[in-house]
Amino acid sequence: QKEVEQDPGPLSVPEGAIVSLNCTYSNSAFQYFMWYRQYSRKGPELLMYTYSSGNKEDGRFTAQVDKSSKYISLFIRDSQPSDSATYLCAMGSMNSGYSTLTFGKGTMLLVSP
Amino acid sequence: DSGVTQTPKHLITATGQRVTLRCSPRSGDLSVYWYQQSLDQGLQFLIQYYNGEERAKGNILERFSAQQFPDLHSELNLSSLELGDSALYFCASSVEGRGLYGYTFGSGTRLTVV
Repeated sequence: QKEVEQDPGPLSVPEGAIVSLNCTYSNSAFQYFMWYRQYSRKGPELLMYTYSSGNKEDGRFTAQVDKSSKYISLFIRDSQPSDSATYLCAMGSMNSGYSTLTFGKGTMLLVSP
Repeated sequence: DSGVTQTPKHLITATGQRVTLRCSPRSGDLSVYWYQQSLDQGLQFLIQYYNGEERAKGNILERFSAQQFPDLHSELNLSSLELGDSALYFCASSVEGRGLYGYTFGSGTRLTVV
Protein backbone atom coordinates (compact mmCIF):
# COMPACT_ATOMS: atom_id res chain seq x y z
CA GLN A 1 0.00 0.00 0.00
CA LYS A 2 1.36 3.39 -0.97
CA GLU A 3 1.73 5.94 1.78
CA VAL A 4 -0.43 8.51 -0.03
CA GLU A 5 -3.18 7.62 -2.50
CA GLN A 6 -4.74 10.13 -4.88
CA ASP A 7 -7.10 9.46 -7.79
CA PRO A 8 -5.31 10.62 -10.97
CA GLY A 9 -8.52 11.69 -12.72
CA PRO A 10 -9.09 13.52 -14.94
CA LEU A 11 -12.00 15.09 -13.15
CA SER A 12 -14.12 17.10 -15.59
CA VAL A 13 -16.63 19.64 -14.30
CA PRO A 14 -18.56 22.60 -15.75
CA GLU A 15 -17.68 26.14 -14.73
CA GLY A 16 -19.28 27.10 -11.43
CA ALA A 17 -19.32 23.57 -10.01
CA ILE A 18 -18.07 22.66 -6.56
CA VAL A 19 -15.04 20.43 -6.85
CA SER A 20 -13.88 17.91 -4.28
CA LEU A 21 -10.34 16.55 -4.47
CA ASN A 22 -9.18 13.89 -2.02
CA CYS A 23 -6.19 12.02 -0.67
CA THR A 24 -5.95 9.12 1.73
CA TYR A 25 -2.88 8.18 3.66
CA SER A 26 -1.81 5.18 5.65
CA ASN A 27 0.72 6.49 8.14
CA SER A 28 -0.53 8.22 11.27
CA ALA A 29 2.89 9.88 11.65
CA PHE A 30 1.84 12.60 9.20
CA GLN A 31 1.11 15.79 11.09
CA TYR A 32 0.85 18.61 8.53
CA PHE A 33 -0.88 18.66 5.20
CA MET A 34 -0.70 20.74 2.06
CA TRP A 35 -2.22 21.15 -1.35
CA TYR A 36 -0.26 22.22 -4.39
CA ARG A 37 -1.53 23.30 -7.80
CA GLN A 38 0.51 22.52 -10.88
CA TYR A 39 -0.28 23.99 -14.27
CA SER A 40 0.93 22.03 -17.27
CA ARG A 41 4.72 21.93 -17.44
CA LYS A 42 5.11 24.45 -14.60
CA GLY A 43 6.41 24.06 -11.08
CA PRO A 44 3.90 23.17 -8.34
CA GLU A 45 2.73 26.13 -6.25
CA LEU A 46 1.57 25.91 -2.66
CA LEU A 47 -2.17 26.57 -2.30
CA MET A 48 -2.96 25.73 1.29
CA TYR A 49 -1.47 24.11 4.33
CA THR A 50 -2.89 23.00 7.65
CA TYR A 51 -1.54 21.38 10.78
CA SER A 52 -4.70 20.17 12.47
CA SER A 53 -7.91 18.30 11.82
CA GLY A 54 -10.82 20.42 10.68
CA ASN A 55 -11.40 22.99 7.96
CA LYS A 56 -9.36 25.90 6.72
CA GLU A 57 -10.74 28.41 4.23
CA ASP A 58 -8.99 30.72 1.82
CA GLY A 59 -11.26 32.42 -0.68
CA ARG A 60 -12.86 29.79 -2.90
CA PHE A 61 -10.67 27.04 -1.44
CA THR A 62 -11.33 24.95 1.66
CA ALA A 63 -8.90 22.35 2.97
CA GLN A 64 -10.30 19.67 5.23
CA VAL A 65 -8.33 17.17 7.31
CA ASP A 66 -9.72 14.15 9.12
CA LYS A 67 -6.81 12.54 10.95
CA SER A 68 -8.97 9.80 12.45
CA SER A 69 -9.91 8.60 8.95
CA LYS A 70 -6.53 9.53 7.43
CA TYR A 71 -8.32 11.51 4.76
CA ILE A 72 -7.78 15.02 3.44
CA SER A 73 -9.82 17.02 0.96
CA LEU A 74 -9.63 20.22 -1.04
CA PHE A 75 -12.90 21.86 -2.03
CA ILE A 76 -13.07 24.49 -4.75
CA ARG A 77 -16.23 26.59 -4.90
CA ASP A 78 -17.43 28.34 -8.05
CA SER A 79 -14.77 26.60 -10.12
CA GLN A 80 -13.27 28.54 -13.03
CA PRO A 81 -11.54 27.40 -16.24
CA SER A 82 -8.37 28.90 -14.76
CA ASP A 83 -8.58 26.25 -12.02
CA SER A 84 -7.81 23.58 -14.64
CA ALA A 85 -4.58 22.07 -13.38
CA THR A 86 -3.19 19.08 -11.52
CA TYR A 87 -3.67 19.21 -7.75
CA LEU A 88 -1.19 17.40 -5.54
CA CYS A 89 -1.59 16.69 -1.88
CA ALA A 90 1.50 16.58 0.31
CA MET A 91 2.08 15.70 3.92
CA GLY A 92 4.91 15.78 6.41
CA SER A 93 5.96 14.77 9.88
CA MET A 94 8.30 15.99 12.59
CA ASN A 95 9.09 12.37 13.46
CA SER A 96 12.56 11.09 12.77
CA GLY A 97 12.78 9.40 9.40
CA TYR A 98 10.51 11.96 7.76
CA SER A 99 12.70 14.81 6.63
CA THR A 100 10.84 15.46 3.39
CA LEU A 101 7.25 15.90 2.32
CA THR A 102 5.44 12.92 0.83
CA PHE A 103 3.44 13.83 -2.29
CA GLY A 104 0.45 12.21 -3.89
CA LYS A 105 0.64 11.65 -7.64
CA GLY A 106 -1.90 14.36 -8.33
CA THR A 107 -5.46 14.68 -9.68
CA MET A 108 -5.97 16.42 -13.00
CA LEU A 109 -8.93 18.82 -12.94
CA LEU A 110 -10.57 20.14 -16.11
CA VAL A 111 -13.11 22.96 -15.76
CA SER A 112 -15.02 23.64 -18.94
CA PRO A 113 -16.59 27.06 -19.73
CA ASP B 1 8.45 34.33 -10.02
CA SER B 2 8.67 31.92 -7.08
CA GLY B 3 12.15 33.03 -6.07
CA VAL B 4 13.68 29.63 -6.93
CA THR B 5 15.75 29.90 -10.09
CA GLN B 6 16.53 26.91 -12.26
CA THR B 7 18.78 26.93 -15.29
CA PRO B 8 18.68 25.99 -18.06
CA LYS B 9 14.94 25.87 -18.80
CA HIS B 10 15.38 23.41 -21.63
CA LEU B 11 18.16 20.98 -22.47
CA ILE B 12 18.46 18.59 -25.39
CA THR B 13 21.34 16.15 -25.35
CA ALA B 14 22.36 12.77 -26.70
CA THR B 15 22.46 9.42 -24.95
CA GLY B 16 25.65 8.80 -23.03
CA GLN B 17 26.26 12.47 -22.37
CA ARG B 18 26.52 14.32 -19.05
CA VAL B 19 24.59 17.43 -18.04
CA THR B 20 24.46 19.73 -15.04
CA LEU B 21 21.28 21.36 -13.81
CA ARG B 22 21.54 24.39 -11.57
CA CYS B 23 19.27 25.70 -8.82
CA SER B 24 19.39 28.86 -6.74
CA PRO B 25 17.06 28.62 -3.75
CA ARG B 26 14.75 31.37 -2.54
CA SER B 27 16.60 33.93 -0.45
CA GLY B 28 16.87 32.73 3.15
CA ASP B 29 16.04 29.10 2.39
CA LEU B 30 18.61 26.60 3.62
CA SER B 31 17.21 23.38 2.21
CA VAL B 32 17.15 22.30 -1.43
CA TYR B 33 15.26 19.35 -2.87
CA TRP B 34 15.49 17.79 -6.32
CA TYR B 35 12.56 16.02 -7.98
CA GLN B 36 12.08 14.23 -11.28
CA GLN B 37 8.70 14.26 -13.01
CA SER B 38 8.02 12.12 -16.06
CA LEU B 39 4.82 12.24 -18.15
CA ASP B 40 3.18 9.27 -16.49
CA GLN B 41 4.74 9.62 -13.06
CA GLY B 42 4.23 11.90 -10.15
CA LEU B 43 6.98 13.83 -8.45
CA GLN B 44 9.83 11.43 -7.72
CA PHE B 45 12.04 12.65 -4.89
CA LEU B 46 15.73 12.42 -5.71
CA ILE B 47 17.77 14.09 -2.99
CA GLN B 48 17.74 16.79 -0.31
CA TYR B 49 20.48 19.08 0.95
CA TYR B 50 20.33 21.22 4.06
CA ASN B 51 22.91 23.98 4.56
CA GLY B 52 25.47 22.20 2.43
CA GLU B 53 24.99 18.68 3.74
CA GLU B 54 23.06 15.79 2.26
CA ARG B 55 19.94 15.24 4.40
CA ALA B 56 17.88 12.62 2.60
CA LYS B 57 18.09 10.43 -0.46
CA GLY B 58 15.23 9.12 -2.54
CA ASN B 59 15.15 7.15 -5.75
CA ILE B 60 18.29 8.69 -7.16
CA LEU B 61 20.25 6.60 -9.65
CA GLU B 62 23.97 6.03 -9.16
CA ARG B 63 24.52 7.89 -12.45
CA PHE B 64 23.07 11.00 -10.80
CA SER B 65 24.79 13.10 -8.17
CA ALA B 66 24.20 16.44 -6.54
CA GLN B 67 25.79 18.94 -4.23
CA GLN B 68 24.98 22.15 -2.42
CA PHE B 69 27.60 24.86 -2.37
CA PRO B 70 28.50 27.34 0.42
CA ASP B 71 26.35 30.02 -1.22
CA LEU B 72 23.48 27.46 -1.00
CA HIS B 73 22.97 27.02 -4.71
CA SER B 74 22.77 23.41 -5.82
CA GLU B 75 23.70 21.40 -8.88
CA LEU B 76 22.32 18.09 -10.09
CA ASN B 77 24.67 16.14 -12.32
CA LEU B 78 23.24 13.51 -14.65
CA SER B 79 25.70 11.26 -16.47
CA SER B 80 25.61 8.40 -18.99
CA LEU B 81 22.22 9.68 -19.99
CA GLU B 82 19.58 7.31 -21.28
CA LEU B 83 16.36 7.97 -23.19
CA GLY B 84 14.40 7.20 -20.03
CA ASP B 85 16.04 10.12 -18.23
CA SER B 86 13.99 12.52 -20.33
CA ALA B 87 11.80 14.34 -17.83
CA LEU B 88 11.11 17.58 -16.02
CA TYR B 89 13.54 18.15 -13.17
CA PHE B 90 12.35 20.43 -10.40
CA CYS B 91 14.27 22.05 -7.63
CA ALA B 92 12.46 23.21 -4.52
CA SER B 93 13.63 25.03 -1.41
CA SER B 94 12.43 25.57 2.13
CA VAL B 95 13.63 27.66 5.05
CA GLU B 96 14.01 24.60 7.28
CA GLY B 97 14.59 20.95 6.56
CA ARG B 98 11.21 19.28 7.00
CA GLY B 99 8.91 21.28 4.76
CA LEU B 100 6.91 22.47 7.77
CA TYR B 101 5.89 25.58 5.83
CA GLY B 102 5.89 23.88 2.45
CA TYR B 103 8.32 23.97 -0.40
CA THR B 104 8.78 26.63 -3.05
CA PHE B 105 9.36 25.07 -6.44
CA GLY B 106 11.27 26.44 -9.37
CA SER B 107 9.90 26.36 -12.90
CA GLY B 108 11.91 23.27 -13.79
CA THR B 109 14.41 22.12 -16.37
CA ARG B 110 12.99 20.10 -19.24
CA LEU B 111 15.56 17.50 -20.25
CA THR B 112 15.22 15.69 -23.54
CA VAL B 113 17.64 12.85 -24.29
CA VAL B 114 17.78 11.84 -27.96
